[in-house]
Amino acid sequence: SQTIHQWPATLVQPVGSPLSLECTVEGTSNPNLYWYRQAAGRGLQLLFYSVGIGQISSEVPQNLSASRPQDRQFILSSKKLLLSDSGFYLCAWSVGRENTEAFFGQGTRLTVV
Amino acid sequence: AQSVTQPDIHITVSEGASLELRCNYSYGATPYLFWYVQSPGQGLQLLLKYFSGDTLVQGIKGFEAEFKRSQSSFNLRKPSVHWSDAAEYFCAVGANFNKFYFGSGTKLNVKP
Repeated sequence: SQTIHQWPATLVQPVGSPLSLECTVEGTSNPNLYWYRQAAGRGLQLLFYSVGIGQISSEVPQNLSASRPQDRQFILSSKKLLLSDSGFYLCAWSVGRENTEAFFGQGTRLTVV
Repeated sequence: AQSVTQPDIHITVSEGASLELRCNYSYGATPYLFWYVQSPGQGLQLLLKYFSGDTLVQGIKGFEAEFKRSQSSFNLRKPSVHWSDAAEYFCAVGANFNKFYFGSGTKLNVKP
């Protein structure tokens, strides 16, 4: 069966420090991968999605970047964190070109101080 | 552009009472619609989905949703709420290239 791993679960980082959040999927090939951010009262905002290795699309301009070095690995990064980067980050995956459901990881709570 | 609106930020119902959570979407093509539930500090779990066919779809945990194209709505319902249903609920639309867009969520409180 397919599983998704996201880590760390919680992270407290100072302003200006770098960020690396990692997500891996097991049990499937060539998944579509997504990074979402959840801020209080704002629902889930799609940040990045990827349909294949090295193929990254950004939904909104921001201080973050994403990379997909391997088929089932998706990384969210920042060179210098801002206070506004705080939030709950969720990785998700789906398969195929037609819309099927997305499956979510357990999330990372990022607090920038 | 695609968007999802959940007009109710918070809803409180008594245990055993019926529930309806509203969702309206905007999408130019045939929508693929989803309801997810999130417990505090957790990821999202799929409750149900609509792709085509019967406009009344059944999901897990006794939930159902009805797709109404004329109203651009996909409301979630449950005939009798349990205390364990307290959570945040998200409606989502699936758009081109398998992108998913979510509403702002509705937090459900259940009174004993």
